[in-house]
Amino acid sequence: DQQVKQNSPSLSVQEGRISILNCDYTNSMFDYFLWYKKYPAEGPTFLISISSIKDKNEDGRFTVFLNKSAKHLSLHIVPSQPGDSAVYFCAAPRPGGGADGLTFGKGTHLIIQP
Amino acid sequence: IAGITQAPTSQILAAGRRMTLRCTQDMRHNAMYWYRQDLGLGLRLIHYSNTAGTTGKGEVPDGYSVSRANTDDFPLTLASAVPSQTSVYFCASSDLPHQGTGELFFGEGSRLTVL
Repeated sequence: DQQVKQNSPSLSVQEGRISILNCDYTNSMFDYFLWYKKYPAEGPTFLISISSIKDKNEDGRFTVFLNKSAKHLSLHIVPSQPGDSAVYFCAAPRPGGGADGLTFGKGTHLIIQP
Repeated sequence: IAGITQAPTSQILAAGRRMTLRCTQDMRHNAMYWYRQDLGLGLRLIHYSNTAGTTGKGEVPDGYSVSRANTDDFPLTLASAVPSQTSVYFCASSDLPHQGTGELFFGEGSRLTVL
């Protein structure tokens, strides 16, 4: 049973507009969440994280929002740039506080249209 | 540049053959992980190791084995490859206990095709 779900396999956004990527989770005990970005033929790279005690974390053009009551988090990219075209994964720690690794969603392929 | 090195980058393998994917890190992280990425399925954990000498099973461990003889190396072995093991394999590491974000650092991946 997948504990972290990304229900949109792909998303197309015009350059300069806002990109919103969504993620739902089932385990209310997660301590933190992370977003990873992956380009073709490269390994995933860490983008931004949020602690479960916060509802927002911002880093430049990237902001992650956490809605604990809805068990939902979202990644906002403003403004979207061509280099943002990639696959984005949301992730949460596996049982054991993350020492046993992260569990990932299936990913959303973001395409930024010029 | 410090990080994770995976080898080979790409490999085509006949079904039934044995294959070992190599992973080396120079960050002195105590935890290491193997994931596979498949279209539509995201990243799934195969095996992990919290420290040298210990290993654990992830979400999809069947058909794979690992060893952790030292801090830096974490090889993944397919004893008898099958076509369903065609995938891109990523090795990752992290420092435990987690400092800050608890992030994993990934290698560039090994693309394996089993015919």
